[in-house]
Amino acid sequence: KAGVTQTPRYLIKTRGQQVTLSCSPISGHRSVSWYQQTPGQGLQFLFEYFSETQRNKGNFPGRFSGRQFSNSRSEMNVSTLELGDSALYLCASSLSAGGATDTQYFGPGTRLTVL
Amino acid sequence: AQSVTQLDSHVSVSEGTPVLLRCNYSSSYSPSLFWYVQHPNKGLQLLLKYTSAATLVKGINGFEAEFKKSETSFHLTKPSAHMSDAAEYFCVVNLNYGGATNKLIFGTGTLLAVQP
Repeated sequence: KAGVTQTPRYLIKTRGQQVTLSCSPISGHRSVSWYQQTPGQGLQFLFEYFSETQRNKGNFPGRFSGRQFSNSRSEMNVSTLELGDSALYLCASSLSAGGATDTQYFGPGTRLTVL
Repeated sequence: AQSVTQLDSHVSVSEGTPVLLRCNYSSSYSPSLFWYVQHPNKGLQLLLKYTSAATLVKGINGFEAEFKKSETSFHLTKPSAHMSDAAEYFCVVNLNYGGATNKLIFGTGTLLAVQP
């Protein structure tokens, strides 16, 4: 079974631009979560989608948004990019929307650099 | 609020010696706990998870962790380190509000170095 895939793997943007990142979950998985990883803040939860609905959201400004499609693929968008948005963005998928035994599997990440 | 604290930011061991990476958790109810590993420029790989079925959890690549409620700990161990174990390790708790969410809270990570 193929793992979680993320595209693109690397991205360079300038301040003020917007960016869209894509995530394809493991086949059969319906929950997709997004995380931001930076040297200063570590790994932080952005949001989670299940059946095209946002189930949970982290403490990020409204410039960060996402959506999930009927095939469970997900995209996240960052508008008006700032230098501090430079990070590794990780996507994770799991079978369901939670539960003690549910496990999230991570993709390789998208490395975003904002100049 | 639920959280995890990784007690060491860096651990260095010699190849063939035991590994101990320490993690304490804070939770108002029985948590779901995980250890993930991240090799340089790679995503996160699940090592093992605790979900209250057994307190001693065995994972991949010879790693295991023991859930100790009395000590609120979930330390990761391996009897004999291998060079390929050099990576960053994250202790993670799932904020599982009645099974309706998958929000993971990560520790700050422990960078494991393995000396030849």
